[in-house]
Amino acid sequence: AQKVTQAQTEISVVEKEDVTLDCVYETRDTTYYLFWYKQPPSGELVFLIRRNSFDEQNEISGRYSWNFQKSTSSFNFTITASQVVDSAVYFCALSPGDNFNKFYFGSGTKLNVKP
Amino acid sequence: KAGVTQTPRYLIKTRGQQVTLSCSPISGHRSVSWYQQTPGQGLQFLFEYFSETQRNKGNFPGRFSGRQFSNSRSEMNVSTLELGDSALYLCASREGQPSLGNTIYFGEGSWLTVV
Repeated sequence: AQKVTQAQTEISVVEKEDVTLDCVYETRDTTYYLFWYKQPPSGELVFLIRRNSFDEQNEISGRYSWNFQKSTSSFNFTITASQVVDSAVYFCALSPGDNFNKFYFGSGTKLNVKP
Repeated sequence: KAGVTQTPRYLIKTRGQQVTLSCSPISGHRSVSWYQQTPGQGLQFLFEYFSETQRNKGNFPGRFSGRQFSNSRSEMNVSTLELGDSALYLCASREGQPSLGNTIYFGEGSWLTVV
């Protein structure tokens, strides 16, 4: 079965705090891709990052960083020094090798960053 | 480059009516997929088209249908609307044919309310 779990439904932080959004996935495929998207109130899902199952290197992009650990089937997303503009719903997604036409999305984590 | 464009952005329909939503992919993108997003079910895959052919379909009743035109633009139709069809309908596009790791890029969605 293909599944993505984002256990944190909603997180509230104060500006400048660091915050980590958790993502745990399930797949029997050895080849797959993982993604993170950001959804602001306007509705559009904005692509943030893609990672393939053979690349466990962590990635940093400005205040954003991602930690991929195959041993725990996790692909966590950290925002350093959060800002009010980071307030949005964040989705983790899995694109498995058996049916790459489909993306399997987690239920999303709503992040509230207060000034 | 313009992003994925969806029309209309907001619409209200009455139970039993039918609705057609339109999607123009990013220029050069030839695959178009549709997702339904509701608070209860989250993001659910509807179908994906490439070269005017449906490549995959999610678990939705036959009232949900779609098509793709030779210019890659796509439409989805929902007939005999039910209250439960109220949702944000998101269109996404990707370059080339659906393939592993091929990132999908979303539009802002069409907010459908059925009354």
